[in-house]
Amino acid sequence: QKEVEQNSGPLSVPEGAIASLNCTYSDRGSQSFFWYRQYSGKSPELIMFIYSNGDKEDGRFTAQLNKASQYVSLLIRDSQPSDSATYLCAVNDYKLSFGAGTTVTVRA
Amino acid sequence: DTGVSQNPRHKITKRGQNVTFRCDPISEHNRLYWYRQTLGQGPEFLTYFQNEAQLEKSRLLSDRFSAERPKGSFSTLEIQRTEQGDSAMYLCASRIGTATMDYTFGSGTRLTVV
Repeated sequence: QKEVEQNSGPLSVPEGAIASLNCTYSDRGSQSFFWYRQYSGKSPELIMFIYSNGDKEDGRFTAQLNKASQYVSLLIRDSQPSDSATYLCAVNDYKLSFGAGTTVTVRA
Repeated sequence: DTGVSQNPRHKITKRGQNVTFRCDPISEHNRLYWYRQTLGQGPEFLTYFQNEAQLEKSRLLSDRFSAERPKGSFSTLEIQRTEQGDSAMYLCASRIGTATMDYTFGSGTRLTVV
């Protein structure tokens, strides 16, 4: 069983819309969760992390965590063409375990 | 300090050759991680060090792979007798212990085995 699963893409959204990305994880004991953005051929860049149930907002990004459902999501509000990238969900124990990523395309 | 540095950025090698990559972490970061990423997949954990001690190796890391971190500073990842399936981006990341959430990734080394 894969440890971290992300909703399959690609996801195409119009400029200005909300992009919604989902992630589930298998280890109920996992405590902290990361969202990374990765442009083609580049290394992952941290968007935000979350470790408490509920929502965490940072600019146009909102992460949501539900530990009972073992579910993490990322909302991108007012999507811009520069948000077009692959978004990686990762579970943090003493190392990061990544999902396969969801590719987002924001069309102008 | 300009972050995590990886060299070379790109490496093309013939099948069967040995290759070595280098990672220079942020100086005060005592934990160093190696990941491998193939097209369309997320990074896969290979191994990590705390200072000079290699604490875990993934099952993905066959006998042809070896990693070192002498003196707890830079790290090297060597692949012996490369195979076409080794073609991937090799990423290095570092962090300070486990007290922070801050993993810093290097730019990666792109390996192509022909």
